[in-house]
Amino acid sequence: AQSVAQPEDQVNVAEGNPLTVKCTYSVSGNPYLFWYVQYPNRGLQFLLKYITGDNLVKGSYGFEAEFNKSQTSFHLKKPSALVSDSALYFCAVRDGGSARQLTFGSGTQLTVLP
Amino acid sequence: DAGITQSPRHKVTETGTPVTLRCHQTENHRYMYWYRQDPGHGLRLIHYSYGVKDTDKGEVSDGYSVSRSKTEDFLLTLESATSSQTSVYFCAISGTGENTGELFFGEGSRLTVL
Repeated sequence: AQSVAQPEDQVNVAEGNPLTVKCTYSVSGNPYLFWYVQYPNRGLQFLLKYITGDNLVKGSYGFEAEFNKSQTSFHLKKPSALVSDSALYFCAVRDGGSARQLTFGSGTQLTVLP
Repeated sequence: DAGITQSPRHKVTETGTPVTLRCHQTENHRYMYWYRQDPGHGLRLIHYSYGVKDTDKGEVSDGYSVSRSKTEDFLLTLESATSSQTSVYFCAISGTGENTGELFFGEGSRLTVL
């Protein structure tokens, strides 16, 4: 069975500082990894994904994530946080051979302080 | 936008009554999903469909049934609603081509069972 862990329920960072939202995963086979963002009272929006290739993936709104196979991690990063980045972030994983359903982490609330 | 419409967006009902949530897509995608979102649990898969009349159970399928008689519509039914089914329900479709692996989400249906 595949699973995702987001160890931090809440991350606070000052505007302009770098941010990191952590994610570790467990899956049999090669992982497909995703980050989604959710703003209040909205559905989830896709940020970025790793399927194969370069371990550093760049996505929307200046976010990037680094795939680390040995540590089974896929942390989300941004060099300089904005107040508008404040939202709920979800990491998700699927097995490359599965029927396409994603397994999500419990989410991390990111608050960027002005 | 991915062309996914959920209805109703908000519903309050009483324990023991039947409830049907509708997901409508205009993208002609084969795969459709129903997730529920609860604090501390992230999103959990209820049921999914891989074609007309082809459905399968997800992680938390007890108390729910689904139907897909047309490509564009995926219905989620609570035969006899319970308070534990108070949640926000999200429909999603699976991307194809360069969007393979990604899920695109509707805006959610907030259900309160009194």
